[in-house]
Amino acid sequence: KNQVEQSPQSLIILEGKNCTLQCNYTVSPFSNLRWYKQDTGRGPVSLTIMTFSENTKSNGRYTATLDADTKQSSLHITASQLSDSASYICVVSAGFQKLVFGTGTRLLVSP
Amino acid sequence: DTAVSQTPKYLVTQMGNDKSIKCEQNLGHDTMYWYKQDSKKFLKIMFSYNNKELIINETVPNRFSPKSPDKAHLNLHINSLELGDSAVYFCASSQTSTGELFFGEGSRLTVL
Repeated sequence: KNQVEQSPQSLIILEGKNCTLQCNYTVSPFSNLRWYKQDTGRGPVSLTIMTFSENTKSNGRYTATLDADTKQSSLHITASQLSDSASYICVVSAGFQKLVFGTGTRLLVSP
Repeated sequence: DTAVSQTPKYLVTQMGNDKSIKCEQNLGHDTMYWYKQDSKKFLKIMFSYNNKELIINETVPNRFSPKSPDKAHLNLHINSLELGDSAVYFCASSQTSTGELFFGEGSRLTVL
């Protein structure tokens, strides 16, 4: 069964600290893996898309890694800011029109 | 300019009523979607349209009927609303079926 599991479910960190969010998937076939940021009351916004051959990709202070062998991805946030408080959703594409969504990690950055 | 816009943003209605949510994208994308996000924040696809043609119709009650008058618009009509329909509905679009998704801001539906 295609599944995407994210951990932790929620996380509180102090402003300025780094954090890492995890995504494990059992999706086949694999097309790409995406990370989305969803602010409260807003729609998800894409942070990164990674294909099978990419093992790291950065978008500003966000760095995603992908290990296709172990089927794991992580999203590392550097020097967190209050505006990073949001839900982060890992999504794996299994090909044509087939996206498998994780349940997300809720991050709260505290001053 | 808003890339994917949906209206209304909030909708409160009584059980049994019929309501519609409209979505428009100005990105020139060929594919549009409707997603439902429940109280646990889990996003689940409902429908996918490619160039006005229905591609995906997940297990959704037939009280939900999408309509795509052209490839820039995908509306969602819901008949005989039930309490369980309360959720946030997101419209999205992508250039290709495996491409990046662009979401609207969501429409929060509350059925009383």
